[in-house]
Amino acid sequence: EPEVTQTPSHQVTQMGQEVILRCVPISNHLYFYWYRQILGQKVEFLVSFYNNEISEKSEIFDDQFSVERPDGSNFTLKIRSTKLEDSAMYFCASTQSLSGSSYNEQFFGPGTRLTVL
Amino acid sequence: AQSVAQPEDQVNVAEGNPLTVKCTYSVSGNPYLFWYVQYPNRGLQFLLKYITGDNLVKGSYGFEAEFNKSQTSFHLKKPSALVSDSALYFCAVRVNSGGYQKVTFGIGTKLQVIP
Repeated sequence: EPEVTQTPSHQVTQMGQEVILRCVPISNHLYFYWYRQILGQKVEFLVSFYNNEISEKSEIFDDQFSVERPDGSNFTLKIRSTKLEDSAMYFCASTQSLSGSSYNEQFFGPGTRLTVL
Repeated sequence: AQSVAQPEDQVNVAEGNPLTVKCTYSVSGNPYLFWYVQYPNRGLQFLLKYITGDNLVKGSYGFEAEFNKSQTSFHLKKPSALVSDSALYFCAVRVNSGGYQKVTFGIGTKLQVIP
């Protein structure tokens, strides 16, 4: 069964450093998302991406964040200068369709745990 | 704006007993509703969804959920709980209006099934 994959599973970085979190969505999916979950809190939407551009972003997704689909398979989240409060689990998700069809649920990857020291 | 409320931080149920995990939602328009499960140190796994049609939807692992429009609820149920069902359960909503709508999650309910 196809699945969303994410690398690395755990990333430890120093405050102020840049990190890139990588995701490989399911191959025939068209819509891509990043969410984060701070320990013990709910899952929060960061950004959605379609047709090589951001379609929606939350207030969390400030200028320190960027997303890219560099090669048609990977979908990356970059944090330019990490802060302590960026420590969280980051989930990538993808969906095939947005319409009322059988293919509109979001499939999530296993997550990358980011620890900022 | 759309929001989801899961009023219970934790639900405890004995193995073999029926379980219910509550969820209410608020959206402008018709909702898409989802339940996801998260096992320790794992990602989110899709359980089931309501898009349209029958109010009772069936999903993975014997779970089902009932959409109640008048009460704006989408409670997750299972007739007979298993110890392996112990996990964190998230209710989620998306507006059924097309476009690139994000999914909004509830805060999660920890289900503990006691042997």
